[in-house]
Amino acid sequence: QKEVEQDPGPLSVPEGAIVSLNCTYSNSAFQYFMWYRQYSRKGPELLMYTYSSGNKEDGRFTAQVDKSSKYISLFIRDSQPSDSATYLCAMSGIVGGTSYGKLTFGQGTILTVHP
Amino acid sequence: GAGVSQSPSNKVTEKGKDVELRCDPISGHTALYWYRQSLGQGLEFLIYFQGNSAPDKSGLPSDRFSAERTGGSVSTLTIQRTQQEDSAVYLCASSLQSGTSGRHEQYFGPGTRLTVT
Repeated sequence: QKEVEQDPGPLSVPEGAIVSLNCTYSNSAFQYFMWYRQYSRKGPELLMYTYSSGNKEDGRFTAQVDKSSKYISLFIRDSQPSDSATYLCAMSGIVGGTSYGKLTFGQGTILTVHP
Repeated sequence: GAGVSQSPSNKVTEKGKDVELRCDPISGHTALYWYRQSLGQGLEFLIYFQGNSAPDKSGLPSDRFSAERTGGSVSTLTIQRTQQEDSAVYLCASSLQSGTSGRHEQYFGPGTRLTVT
């Protein structure tokens, strides 16, 4: 079983819809949680960064972390065709008092927003 | 400001040849990471540099893979005697904070697409 599980989709929604993306994880040492967006043949672009449990909002994007359930989510409001991309969750943790920042990624969810 | 840059953007090589992939991190970023992205395996960590030293090499798949970083800046990932299973996109990321602080917002380059024929 992978440390981070993410439904690869594909997910197709109409423009304006609210999109919900999520990941589950098994390693309780993970404390830092990120969402990246990756367009075809480009590098991942950092969208959201959160520490421990709670919510964080940035424009149309909201990230939620529930450490008790080992579950993280990304919500996209008023989705646009330009949001069509692969969304990757990533996380890192502290082991032995040190965090080297090594990221463990989910498989990525392919999202298409159609006009 | 300039982001992470990588070269070449694409590399096609014959099985058995050596290849070198280059990464220029964001200026001032002390931490540098290499990852590999392939269809079957997703995005996997390879190696982490803090300055010129590599405290975590746990993701390097075999001794054919090596990496170095000089001057706390540019890094080179070398793959010797390439195999077809090495075909993937090799991504480099850099981060401002060191490992002890805990924060690791990593910014990625565009990647090098390696094809071994």
